[in-house]
Amino acid sequence: KNEVEQSPQNLTAQEGEFITINCSYSVGISALHWLQQHPGGGIVSLFMLSSGKKKHGRLIATINIQEKHSSLHITASHPRDSAVYICAASGGATNKLIFGTGTLLAVQP
Amino acid sequence: DAGVTQSPTHLIKTRGQQVTLRCSPKSGHDTVSWYQQALGQGPQFIFQYYEEEERQRGNFPDRFSGHQFPNYSSELNVNALLLGDSALYLCASSLLRGGRQFFGPGTRLTVL
Repeated sequence: KNEVEQSPQNLTAQEGEFITINCSYSVGISALHWLQQHPGGGIVSLFMLSSGKKKHGRLIATINIQEKHSSLHITASHPRDSAVYICAASGGATNKLIFGTGTLLAVQP
Repeated sequence: DAGVTQSPTHLIKTRGQQVTLRCSPKSGHDTVSWYQQALGQGPQFIFQYYEEEERQRGNFPDRFSGHQFPNYSSELNVNALLLGDSALYLCASSLLRGGRQFFGPGTRLTVL
């Protein structure tokens, strides 16, 4: 079992839909990260959170420390949101990232 | 303010050869981490450098080695390349005390 699990692995949505991607982790963490990766591209950090909720534009990230669970929500989805979304846990002396396997999101017009 | 830069962007090598990948961190960052991302997989931690020393290492053989320079830039060296080393190699910079990691665009290594 991976230390960081994501669901779903693949997600197809229609433009305008509300999207939720879930992440569960089994390790102790100092922070949970949500990252975005476009095909063939590098990785962009969207959020780093250790408690509660953060919002940036149409993106919202939440974390429940007791349940070791985090969610990434996209409101009013758009085709340009199509990408791989990855959650990663960090902790320990080096804050190295332990990555989930990613969720491939396709938003159709 | 330049973000994290990596060079080269693409590289093709043959089995048994050696390769050096380079990374310049975001301005103000002192820590560089390297990750390997095989096709269709999530990135895997290789190692992290701070103050020119390796602080932690993931589950990678000694063929993978690195270096950090006084200006915080870093190199990843891979010796005796195997076909399985073909991957996207990502560099991320951060501050030692923590915070978000900023990623470079990656170097796509193909081993034939």
